Amino acid sequence: QSVLTQPPSASGTPGQRVTISCSGSSSNIGSNTVNWYQQLPGTAPKLLIYSNNQRPSGVPDRFSGSKSGTSASLAISGLQSADEADYYCAAWDDSLNGVVFGGGTKLTVL
Amino acid sequence: EVQLVESGGGLVQPGRSLRLSCAASGFTFDDYAMHWVRQVPGKGPEWVSGISWNSDSIGYADSVKGRFTISRDNAKNSLYLQMNSLRAEDTALYYCAKDMAQQLTPWFDYWGQGTLVTVSS
Repeated sequence: QSVLTQPPSASGTPGQRVTISCSGSSSNIGSNTVNWYQQLPGTAPKLLIYSNNQRPSGVPDRFSGSKSGTSASLAISGLQSADEADYYCAAWDDSLNGVVFGGGTKLTVL
Repeated sequence: EVQLVESGGGLVQPGRSLRLSCAASGFTFDDYAMHWVRQVPGKGPEWVSGISWNSDSIGYADSVKGRFTISRDNAKNSLYLQMNSLRAEDTALYYCAKDMAQQLTPWFDYWGQGTLVTVSS
């Protein structure tokens, strides 16, 4: 059971906009920033969004993040087949004094 | 180019020890915190431990506290994880990850390829 809760799956067609949610609590998302990772099959996770809505260099602006209260969302616009991957949210947890991850959302591009 | 290369994984019996290493290159190692993150195939990542740039701040997941010890040698650009009293549930792919900051954050901007640890009799 992950500390952060994500839907196990999401899907969309090419060009569509999809969102993935991440729910936490006051000790993690409620008091700290949220980060998103993309993991393509057979590879290590890649930082997609940090500090709620910041993109590392090289990440397309099709990817955006937001946070409200104890929940956060990742939005992907102009969906591409290359976006098919697992997506994980993560945050610092003040009670656990460490990093917590969501269980992951498998995105399928139909 | 940033490179993180893990080593030291393998098959080990329950209760035994293993030491993982991570060789870093392509960035100023002693400017950043570093972490170990593990992942069971088909499952999500699990943060294991992190260490600040100067080793003043160290954190562990509850699941490994008291059994694992993280350390770093800035002169050798290397990160380590000493794993004692290993259990079957420690079986996973262990990644070394670079933080974007000097202190511990969840912002891991570079990851290694991982080293597989299998705990089994």
